[in-house]
Amino acid sequence: GESVGLHLPTLSVQEGDNSIINCAYSNSASDYFIWYKQESGKGPQFIIDIRSNMDKRQGQRVTVLLNKTVKHLSLQIAATQPGDSAVYFCAENTGTASKLTFGTGTRLQVTL
Amino acid sequence: GAGVSQSPSNKVTEKGKDVELRCDPISGHTALYWYRQSLGQGLEFLIYFQGNSAPDKSGLPSDRFSAERTGGSVSTLTIQRTQQEDSAVYLCASSRPGLSYEQYFGPGTRLTVT
Repeated sequence: GESVGLHLPTLSVQEGDNSIINCAYSNSASDYFIWYKQESGKGPQFIIDIRSNMDKRQGQRVTVLLNKTVKHLSLQIAATQPGDSAVYFCAENTGTASKLTFGTGTRLQVTL
Repeated sequence: GAGVSQSPSNKVTEKGKDVELRCDPISGHTALYWYRQSLGQGLEFLIYFQGNSAPDKSGLPSDRFSAERTGGSVSTLTIQRTQQEDSAVYLCASSRPGLSYEQYFGPGTRLTVT
């Protein structure tokens, strides 16, 4: 079936460095992609989204890149801070409903 | 303003018992979603309500699971005859009209079936 997955289960980054979290998707019909951040004991928090007709979108300290040719999505976090430590999920939407298909997540650990 | 709230935050129940989980969405949000998150896993879609339309129940894993949304606001997810594999965190999310992709999540209910 269709799936969204992540390459790395855990990413360790030094404070101040840039982080790159990757995600592969398999459904070429997906038209909307979202990144969520989930801190321990909390629900996922919306970070940034991108539509399939775009290849890049920037937010505050975050950039999402979409490569439809290879069905790859990435989240870049600039100047990573301890507060960025969390599990990051990519999600995709396909079709008429607004339900999302989530990947399994990448844990980002920020070291001092 | 207030975010999505869920209750209880934790629930421990014996196998075979029924449980009810509650979700209060953000005021004015017309769409409401239930997801399940097993330990170390991503989120699994369960059910979706949009306004007065019939809910999308395509993600419910069995007929032991049901959900309702009263008055277009509060929702209750019911699991009958709970099994150990039902143990997970159950997350509720809501979204604004026209922005269904930007879902706001509650803190979840951690369900443990012993």
